[in-house]
Amino acid sequence: EAGVAQSPRYKIIEKRQSVAFWCNPISGHATLYWYQQILGQGPKLLIQFQNNGVVDDSQLPKDRFSAERLKGVDSTLKIQPAKLEDSAVYLCASSVDDQPQHFGDGTRLSIL
Amino acid sequence: QKEVEQNSGPLSVPEGAIASLNCTYSDRGSQSFFWYRQYSGKSPELIMFIYSNGDKEDGRFTAQLNKASQYVSLLIRDSQPSDSATYLCAVNRGSQGNLIFGKGTKLSVKP
Repeated sequence: EAGVAQSPRYKIIEKRQSVAFWCNPISGHATLYWYQQILGQGPKLLIQFQNNGVVDDSQLPKDRFSAERLKGVDSTLKIQPAKLEDSAVYLCASSVDDQPQHFGDGTRLSIL
Repeated sequence: QKEVEQNSGPLSVPEGAIASLNCTYSDRGSQSFFWYRQYSGKSPELIMFIYSNGDKEDGRFTAQLNKASQYVSLLIRDSQPSDSATYLCAVNRGSQGNLIFGKGTKLSVKP
């Protein structure tokens, strides 16, 4: 079974630029999560989708972050404009029914 | 504010010893508890999950849950240098299934 796919693996941008990350969940997984993991911290949920609907985006900084999952499969997370404090690893995870989440390899974002 | 607390470590144990990792959580309504292992520069990997009070064993790993004390632990028997990693405790947040993570405990197993 293929795992959660994410791209790109690494991204370096300057502050105030925009960036987008892509995630393709495990086949058949209806629930998709985006987490932000700052160095030395545990992952923090940004947004949770169930199929193509948003279940929880209470911790998403909506003034600069946006995410979509239009067809209920893959998803895109965007940051515009980026700030220095957005430097982190952005992790995508997926799950089915009440089963545990499985994570992709993440995108490491550096803001200069 | 719902929280998950872990000792950041590092926790150092000799090869072959038992490593004991602990986690406390604040939300009494939490029902699902997870341990993830994260190697440096890698993504979290599920090790164990537990839903009921008591112990759950899987190979060298045992998860222990005490809901009355709001306490979860992970025991690693016969620790190996390859077990050296950061161990993240995660607790379900509400009914939606998303998780609150602790900051992780860094484990170092010395040969």
